[in-house]
Amino acid sequence: DQQVKQNSPSLSVQEGRISILNCDYTNSMFDYFLWYKKYPAEGPTFLISISSIKDKNEDGRFTVFLNKSAKHLSLHIVPSQPGDSAVYFCAASAMTDSGNTPLVFGKGTRLSVIA
Amino acid sequence: GAVVSQHPSWVICKSGTSVKIECRSLDFQATTMFWYRQFPKQSLMLMATSNEGSKATYEQGVEKDKFLINHASLTLSTLTVTSAHPEDSSFYICSAPDSDRVGTEAFFGQGTRLTVV
Repeated sequence: DQQVKQNSPSLSVQEGRISILNCDYTNSMFDYFLWYKKYPAEGPTFLISISSIKDKNEDGRFTVFLNKSAKHLSLHIVPSQPGDSAVYFCAASAMTDSGNTPLVFGKGTRLSVIA
Repeated sequence: GAVVSQHPSWVICKSGTSVKIECRSLDFQATTMFWYRQFPKQSLMLMATSNEGSKATYEQGVEKDKFLINHASLTLSTLTVTSAHPEDSSFYICSAPDSDRVGTEAFFGQGTRLTVV
C-alpha cells in the first residue's frame, strides 16, 4: 500500500508560468513533509519542507501548501524556469515513540519547463 | 547545508562478485544513515537503517545477508552487495539526517549506479 502518492508522473509548463505539483498521503501519523528535486543519476536535493502545524511555507519561488484534512500537499513554483526541469519527489515522515520514521517517498513527478 | 558524500558514483561488476558502496557525512556526525534503492521509473525505497555501533535494521523483503551494512564510525556507513546478480542492478542512495529529529531534512549522497553484467 503506497502511503505517499504522486498521481501525475509528468507535468509540462511554459516558462514563466506556475508549476503545481501535487501529493497525497494516507498515513495520518505523518507530521513532516518535504519536497526533493532529483536529476538523473544524482541523489535528491532538498527543496522545502512543512510541518503539520502549518498550512503554508514559502521560500523564494517555492511554496508548499498543506491541507491536513484532505491529506494533501502541493508544491508551487512561480515563475517556472527551464532549470526547474527535473523529477520532484514528495516525502513524509512521522514521529513515533522511538523517534521519527525514515522518509517515505512518492513515485515522483517529472516537471518539464518549456522555454 | 550538510554534505553527504557517496562513492563510487557508478560501478559495473560481474555477476557473482561483491561491490562496496561508501557513504560519508563530511561536516556532521551521523548516528543513523539510511540506504535507499531506486529502480527505473520507481520511487526511492528504503532498504535499511544503519545505526552506528549496532546492527542495521532491514526493511521487509531486503536480504540482510546479501546487503551487508556496516556503520563503524559516526561519519561512515558502507553497503556491500554480496554475490551480485543482474536483478541487483539499481541506483543506490544513502542519506543522513542533520538533526536529532530523524527523517527531517535528510541529506542525500550522490547515489551509486550499479550495473551487474
